[in-house]
Amino acid sequence: QSALAQPASVSGSPGQSITISCSGSSNDVGSYNLVSWYQQHPGKAPKLMIFEDSRRPSGVSNRFSGSKSGNTASLTISGLQAEDGADYYCSSFAGSSVLFGGGTKLTVL
Amino acid sequence: QVQLVQSGTEEKKPGASVKVSCKASGYTFTGYYIHWLRQAPGQGLEWMGWINPNSGDTNYAQKFQGRIAVTRDTSRRTAYMELSRLMSDDAAVYYCARDGFSSSSGDYWGQGTLVTVSS
Repeated sequence: QSALAQPASVSGSPGQSITISCSGSSNDVGSYNLVSWYQQHPGKAPKLMIFEDSRRPSGVSNRFSGSKSGNTASLTISGLQAEDGADYYCSSFAGSSVLFGGGTKLTVL
Repeated sequence: QVQLVQSGTEEKKPGASVKVSCKASGYTFTGYYIHWLRQAPGQGLEWMGWINPNSGDTNYAQKFQGRIAVTRDTSRRTAYMELSRLMSDDAAVYYCARDGFSSSSGDYWGQGTLVTVSS
C-alpha cells in the first residue's frame, strides 16, 4: 500500500492560517473516519493533534482543526505561532494497517 | 499519569535480532492497543504493527510479516517488539504508542529507542 501524500513543506507568518493536505484513496482516507494528525519537533516523539478526522485530544489548542473531503484530509492551523514550526504527519486506518504520509515541514516565517 | 517507558539504545550487526520493550504505567494496560512504529534518520513515521494487550492478538504491516513479533507480559505491563534478520535500513528510532481512542492513533508515546545496525 502506498503512503499518503503530503506536501513536503508549507510556510506562513505569525497570525496567519495554513492548511496541510493529506491525499489517500478510497481504501483508506475515503473509507474510514480514522485520519489522525501528529506534530513532531526535532528529537521528540510525535504528539497527537487530531484523531477521527476532526477530534482534538484534551489539551490541544483549538487553533488546530481537521477536516476531510472524499479521499483528502486536511489540517488547518489558525493564528500561527512560532512554536507551531514542526513536522506534521497524517495517518489513516487502511483496513488492516495504518498508513502514514511522508510528513510536511511547517516553517513559521 | 500515563507513561510509556522504552528500553535503551541497541547496537546490532546485520542479520541479528533486536527486542525493544515498552513498559506502561498510569492506566489499565489491557484496556488499550499498543502500536509499534519507527522513524529512520531524517525520514517519516512508519507503522509496524499493533497488539491487543488483553488478548495478545497482533496485526503487522505486510512489509514486516515474517520478521516481526510483538508480544506482551501483562504481569509486567510491558509490550515487546522483536525484529529479526536486521538490515542496515532497519536503523531507526523505534516507538511504542498507546491507542487511547481506539482510533488507530497514538495518544501517548514512548520516548523512542534508537537501534543502529552496522557491521
